[in-house]
Amino acid sequence: DIVMTQSPLSLPVTPGEPASISCRSSQSLLHSSGNHYLDWYLQKPGQSPQLLIYLVSNRASGVPDRFSGSGSGTDFTLKISRVEAEDVGVYYCVQVLQTPLTFGGGTKVEIK
Amino acid sequence: EVHLLESGGGLVQPGGSLRLSCAASGFSFDNYWMSWVRQAPGKGLEWVANIKPDGGEQNYVDSVKGRFAISRDNAKNSLYLQMNSLRAEDTAVYFCVRGGQGAYYNGLRWGQGTLVTVSS
Repeated sequence: DIVMTQSPLSLPVTPGEPASISCRSSQSLLHSSGNHYLDWYLQKPGQSPQLLIYLVSNRASGVPDRFSGSGSGTDFTLKISRVEAEDVGVYYCVQVLQTPLTFGGGTKVEIK
Repeated sequence: EVHLLESGGGLVQPGGSLRLSCAASGFSFDNYWMSWVRQAPGKGLEWVANIKPDGGEQNYVDSVKGRFAISRDNAKNSLYLQMNSLRAEDTAVYFCVRGGQGAYYNGLRWGQGTLVTVSS
């Protein structure tokens, strides 16, 4: 199974400041199609996870452009250019390259 | 708009059984892989099982193999999870999740979840 490792575990942020979350996989997420099968999701308090970014860098419909994803191989990053209060919650990366799908442990983003 | 509505959760004793359902709408259900993902109280996300669009292939996480069975009824746009021999560690919110469509993938879509509590 592919192991997904996220850091940091907790991320206190100041509104208007940038934030960055790292996700590392135990093996390459590169598919024969040339895409890397890595997504990012945000789970706001009391809600189900919502899609932010798919295939490393594609923003889902309705996701603000302050969110961006990058990376390749086994190292991936989610960046928020200017954090807003509504961005609080737990962020998860997930590899969807192969079964079993595996998730990172989550990064809790909270406002300072 | 994709809509996934889970039902069937509840309180069950250890060793008991429960069947979860997921009603799908807003997309061509029979074209998509579907999954169940769970989240124990205060914990992270764990993929449980998935099923091919035509129902011809199912995959499971090791901890539920032989106890859980995923199925679908494309005529009813519905996904199911039959859970047998339930254990305390199966206590979680279970999410119905839409996956990819053949070679086309644009992210996972999630239902609101249904809570399963295994306790005596």
